[in-house]
Amino acid sequence: DSGVTQTPKHLITATGQRVTLRCSPRSGDLSVYWYQQSLDQGLQFLIHYYNGEERAKGNILERFSAQQFPDLHSELNLSSLELGDSALYFCASSGRDPSYEQYFGPGTRLTVT
Amino acid sequence: DAKTTQPTSMDCAEGRAANLPCNHSTISGNEYVYWYRQIHSQGPQYIIHGLKNNETNEMASLIITEDRKSSTLILPHATLRDTAVYYCIAKIGTNTGKLIFGQGTTLQVKP
Repeated sequence: DSGVTQTPKHLITATGQRVTLRCSPRSGDLSVYWYQQSLDQGLQFLIHYYNGEERAKGNILERFSAQQFPDLHSELNLSSLELGDSALYFCASSGRDPSYEQYFGPGTRLTVT
Repeated sequence: DAKTTQPTSMDCAEGRAANLPCNHSTISGNEYVYWYRQIHSQGPQYIIHGLKNNETNEMASLIITEDRKSSTLILPHATLRDTAVYYCIAKIGTNTGKLIFGQGTTLQVKP
């Protein structure tokens, strides 16, 4: 158990819909990262938040957005869903710098039908 | 971050050492080598990291060549639970930023 929690575990929704994935980092960790893992693209970095501020963006679609709240939990919002958005979405957290590890949550499996 | 190259797959007998190679010929002086693994569809798990010295922890050993162009992750006594995809990542500094995952090596530990 990494200490990172993600909800829900599974999500099935239809094309065109909007969903919100939630992540609670390890206690005390200020950084939250979101990654997407699909069969054809592998594990891809989406976005990084540090203490409520966006730090870096990866290959995140404009239909996707994220935020980190004052209590440090984070949400990833996916809208106008397409079949290709079906994937595992992982959240990871890390502590203050220097910090060598990212601790990954169990993921949310999103299926778009 | 430097590109890393790993074999697609490897087999190892249970109880034997698993040696997973990684090439990172363009690595720069301030890039560390990190290893993570992913068991089935679980979240990736940190294993070990190093800059230029060999490193060992309770999970594995990391051997980095003197020119730092390649490294080897060693699982000293592989078990069936070590079957996973292993990712070698080169990343600047100790500041945790995004991890760039390649295709990794699928290690199959066989009884």
